[in-house]
Amino acid sequence: EDKVVQSPLSLVVHEGDTVTLNCSYEVTNFRSLLWYKQEKKAPTFLFMLTSSGIEKKSGRLSSILDKKELFSILNITATQTGDSAIYLCAGTRSNTGKLIFGQGTTLQVKP
Amino acid sequence: GAVVSQHPSRVICKSGTSVKIECRSLDFQATTMFWYRQFPKQSLMLMATSNEGSKATYEQGVEKDKFLINHASLTLSTLTVTSAHPEDSSFYICSARPDPTNQPQHFGDGTRLSIL
Repeated sequence: EDKVVQSPLSLVVHEGDTVTLNCSYEVTNFRSLLWYKQEKKAPTFLFMLTSSGIEKKSGRLSSILDKKELFSILNITATQTGDSAIYLCAGTRSNTGKLIFGQGTTLQVKP
Repeated sequence: GAVVSQHPSRVICKSGTSVKIECRSLDFQATTMFWYRQFPKQSLMLMATSNEGSKATYEQGVEKDKFLINHASLTLSTLTVTSAHPEDSSFYICSARPDPTNQPQHFGDGTRLSIL
């Protein structure tokens, strides 16, 4: 059965800290690993990773995929209170395109 | 780009009512759309995959007669919760995947459904 596991489940940091969120996956016919940020409403897309070892960056956020270890990390540097959210990772299968979500990591950034 | 509009954002209605939720891709075509349900403090649970011009594919445990899905065009999918009961109260979210199929899914803002 496909499975995506995130850790930690919750995290509290102070502004300026750097955080690393973890995501491990077991997905049949794996195609890609996606990261989303969810605040009050629906998830917003952050990154899609398909190749191992290639870091994707967007401002203070970056992510990388290790297809050998079936693992991905999302880094946030110089955190701000606006980074407070639930961060979801999801694996997709190549044949269906369905997203298999992890439980999410709830990040709280304190001023 | 890649905007998904979901409507309505909030529904409060009496038990026994049927509720229709619309999901539109505003600036792209989507052969495939997805419907999720999210319980408080939990992750998204896929309910069904909506395919334009064909029947939806439901996940195990999801009643297809209860949750009717129609995907009549490349930009619109609808979910109808038939004869809704309080246990159907939840946050329903749709997503659309731009064609071709190797694009990420983009989500609507969700519909909070409360059945009294």
